[in-house]
This record gives sequence, structure tokens and C-alpha cells, in this order.
Amino acid sequence: QQQVKQSPQSLIVQKGGIPIINCAYENTAFDYFPWYQQFPGKGPALLIAIRPDVSEKKEGRFTISFNKSAKQFSLHIMDSQPGDSATYFCAASKEDDYKLSFGAGTTVTVRA
Amino acid sequence: DVKVTQSSRYLVKRTGEKVFLECVQDMDHENMFWYRQDPGLGLRLIYFSYDVKMKEKGDIPEGYSVSREKKERFSLILESASTNQTSMYLCASRRIGTQYFGPGTRLLVL
Repeated sequence: QQQVKQSPQSLIVQKGGIPIINCAYENTAFDYFPWYQQFPGKGPALLIAIRPDVSEKKEGRFTISFNKSAKQFSLHIMDSQPGDSATYFCAASKEDDYKLSFGAGTTVTVRA
Repeated sequence: DVKVTQSSRYLVKRTGEKVFLECVQDMDHENMFWYRQDPGLGLRLIYFSYDVKMKEKGDIPEGYSVSREKKERFSLILESASTNQTSMYLCASRRIGTQYFGPGTRLLVL
């Protein structure tokens, strides 16, 4: 049973659009929420991460929004570019735990 | 830069063969992980190791075993490969929450 539910499975946007990926979790003990980006033929790489003491975090064009009461978090890609086309995974864990629980992944395609 | 390398990018094996997948990291990380990645299922943890010679089962350990004799090397073993083990296998090492992934091995079992 997946502990982190991710949607949508895929999405296509035009260059400059704002793809939004949503994730929901059940375990209230989770306190670390990273997003990983994976390009074809490569392993996932950490993109941005948030802890539940903040509601939003920005790094460049990538923004995580976090809603602790709803147990949801989302990734927004502002001014998306074709180079952002990749698969994105959300994940969650307890910070002192070795394991990450991953969502199923979202394939984002940004058309030029 | 952290580097995690995997011994093969592509492998084709026959049903019943014993398969070894090797992973090496160069950053002295204590924790290492093996995942398999399948479309629509995300990354599922097979086994992880929190220190040399220490291992724990992940969410889908059946049909797999692991070995960690040295800190930098973590091996995944398929004792008798089956077609349902055709997948992408990803190795990772961990430092303070962040997992660093290798490029993956795409395994086809015929």
C-alpha cells in the first residue's frame, strides 16, 4: 500500500505554463518531504525539499506548497521550459528514518 | 560531487539465472538502498543497508538478497531470475535525509 499518493500520472503544458503536481500522505509522523526529478536514462536527483514548519518553499522556478492539516503538498513549476520535461516524484519520511516513501511519479512534458 | 555508479546500464538474462547487480558510492555514506522502478508504481524499496554487513528488508524483498561487505559497495542478488523481475533497478546512498541515486540498471529477464 502506497503511503504517498501522487497525481496526475502525466501532464502536458505549453512553455511558460505552470504544471502542478499533488501529493497526499497519511502518516502524520512524516516530517521531511522531498521532490526528486528524473530525466530519461538517469537516476532521480533531489530537486527541493520541505519540512512541515513552513507552508511554502521556493528554489528558482520550483515551489513546494505544504498544507499540514490536509496532509497534502504540491510542486509548482513556474514559467516551465522544455528542459523541465522529466518525471517528478514526491516522497516522505521521518527525518531520522532511513527510508523514503515515494509517490508513483508524474511525467511532465513541456511543449515549446 | 556524490557519485553512485552501477555496474551495468542494461542486462539481459534468462529465467533461472543468478544475477548480480553492483553499486558503488564514493562519499563514505553509511546507508545504501536498492529500489526497483516500474511504470505507475514509482520507486519501491527492495532492501537497504544502514552499515557494513547490516541489512534490512524493504517493501518487496521476495526473490532478492543483498550483500554489503565493504562500506562503498552494495550488491543486489537475484537468486533465480524470473520474468516478473524485469524492471529498472536503482541504487542509492544516503546522507542526512538526501538520497543520491545511480543511473539505474535496466534488466530484462527472458
